[in-house]
Amino acid sequence: DGGITQSPKYLFRKEGQNVTLSCEQNLNHDAMYWYRQDPGQGLRLIYYSQIVNDFQKGDIAEGYSVSREKKESFPLTVTSAQKNPTAFYLCASSRDIVGNSPLHFGNGTRLTVT
Amino acid sequence: DAKTTQPPSMDCAEGRAANLPCNHSTISGNEYVYWYRQIHSQGPQYIIHGLKNNETNEMASLIITEDRKSSTLILPHATLRDTAVYYCIVSPDHNFNKFYFGSGTKLNVKP
Repeated sequence: DGGITQSPKYLFRKEGQNVTLSCEQNLNHDAMYWYRQDPGQGLRLIYYSQIVNDFQKGDIAEGYSVSREKKESFPLTVTSAQKNPTAFYLCASSRDIVGNSPLHFGNGTRLTVT
Repeated sequence: DAKTTQPPSMDCAEGRAANLPCNHSTISGNEYVYWYRQIHSQGPQYIIHGLKNNETNEMASLIITEDRKSSTLILPHATLRDTAVYYCIVSPDHNFNKFYFGSGTKLNVKP
């Protein structure tokens, strides 16, 4: 089945360490996105990518970095500069970037930093 | 970007229709209305979307008012597994598919 795979489901890190979250899609979608969700809140956009080798900052990009070297992969690195990294991270993709194109989400990675 | 207003929570009896309202009074002509739901600790699941006409699929129906300032998501026969947070979203009218997720409506389906 086509879909989006995020790994791992749970991730634990010590403060001061960088950590990379994986996101792979086999939907042949051009656009990919990273969102962050905090308890009881909606999703906030971190980074997005419209095509390979191109990506743009979202609303809360500080302390995060991404790469898009392949169409199917969009890894997110949470750096030590991110002040509150503990959160639920969601990756998504869409066929293209126009309005008539639903987002498809993975099942998320829950990151805990202590 | 157009924002949406939803009630924070609703209850529905199992087997009955669940009608979830959404206001989007600042929606512009080319913006779509999307509905997603999220079950605890999972990624949001796409339900349905529409522009002007009412839409129906295997999961739900979407009713959009003629002036497009509000919409209603209808789950025709709610089950306990439909308990989730439901998000109403308006897609932006420019060349990037940037969704704004608010707090949504927590639907509680009760036996």
